[in-house]
Order: sequence, then structure tokens, then C-alpha cells
Amino acid sequence: QKEVEQDPGPLSVPEGAIVSLNCTYSNSAFQYFMWYRQYSRKGPELLMYTYSSGNKEDGRFTAQVDKSSKYISLFIRDSQPSDSATYLCAMNSDQGAQKLVFGQGTRLTINP
Amino acid sequence: GAGVSQTPSNKVTEKGKYVELRCDPISGHTALYWYRQSLGQGPEFLIYFQGTGAADDSGLPNDRFFAVRPEGSVSTLKIQRTERGDSAVYLCASSLTGDYTEAFFGQGTRLTVV
Repeated sequence: QKEVEQDPGPLSVPEGAIVSLNCTYSNSAFQYFMWYRQYSRKGPELLMYTYSSGNKEDGRFTAQVDKSSKYISLFIRDSQPSDSATYLCAMNSDQGAQKLVFGQGTRLTINP
Repeated sequence: GAGVSQTPSNKVTEKGKYVELRCDPISGHTALYWYRQSLGQGPEFLIYFQGTGAADDSGLPNDRFFAVRPEGSVSTLKIQRTERGDSAVYLCASSLTGDYTEAFFGQGTRLTVV
């Protein structure tokens, strides 16, 4: 079993919809949680970063972490066609840990 | 340069050959990371450099893989006796202090072993 599980999709929604992306994990030592966006044939770019449990909001994006359930989510409001990409969750155990563990990625398409 | 640069963008090689993949990090970034991303998968950690030294090479799959960063800037990932299973996108990232919140990824080198 992988340390981080993420539904690969694909997920297709109409423009303007609220998108929910999720990951589960098994390692209780994970403390830092990230969401990356990756366009086709590009490197991942950091979208959101959360430490421990709680919510974080940045514009149309909201990241949630529930450490008790080992479950993290990314919500995208008012989705746009430009949001079409693969979304990767990633996590590591502490600030000094230099090995990020990624989920498989969810391929998202926003239809105009 | 403005970002992390990786060359070549694409590399096709024959099984058994030796390849070198280059990463030019953002100027001044002391931390450098290599990841490998297979088709339909998330990136997998290979190695982390702080300055010139490999601080964590626990992700290198076997002794055919080796990476160097002799002057603390450019890094080269070297793969000997390539196998078809080595086909993947090899990603490089760099950060100023080793904090992932400041890390930037390159566009990757797509390696195909035929």
C-alpha cells in the first residue's frame, strides 16, 4: 500500500463548479501538506501549503487537513478552464525532511 | 536564469547506454532535488543536495544511478546501463534554504529507453 493515496480521475466538471480533490495517507508523522498543480509537460508548481491540521484559503483555493482521519482536501471555487491540469498532493514529516511523498495526481478538466 | 532549467528536454537512448541529465538551478539556491515521474504517477524522490554534498540519496533505485553537484550549482544525474524501466520524466527542483515552500521545479527531462 502506498503512503499517499489519490484518486487519479479523470475528473471533468463544468466551468463555475466547485471542485473537491482529496488524498489519504498512512504515515502519522506527516506534518506538512502541499498541493501542486502540473500542466501537461511542465514541472509541478506549488499552490497551497498547510502545516498540521486546519484550513487555509488563498483566493479561489481552500486546503483542508484532518490529521485525525489522515485526509487532506483541496477545494477550487468558481472553476475556470485554465484550472484544467493534474493536481498532486504531497507531504513530508518535518521542516528538515527533504523527501516529499507525492500522491498519484488527479487529472482535472474544466469544460467551458 | 529566471527558473530551473533542465537539459535536454527529451532524450531517447538505447537500452544499455549511458545518459547524463543536467539541471541548472535558480542562481543562489543551495538546495537541489531530483525526482522521477513515471507516466500517470506522482514524482518520486531520488536525491537531495545541500551545496555540493548529497545530503540524502535514499531514493536512488540502484547503483546504476548517480548524481553530482561539484560546484554547488549545476547538477548532473547519471544513469548507467539504461533499462526500459528507467523511462520517465526526471524533474529537478531547487530552493534557497531547503524549505519546500520556496522550491521551484524545472520542466523535466523526458527520458525514453528503447
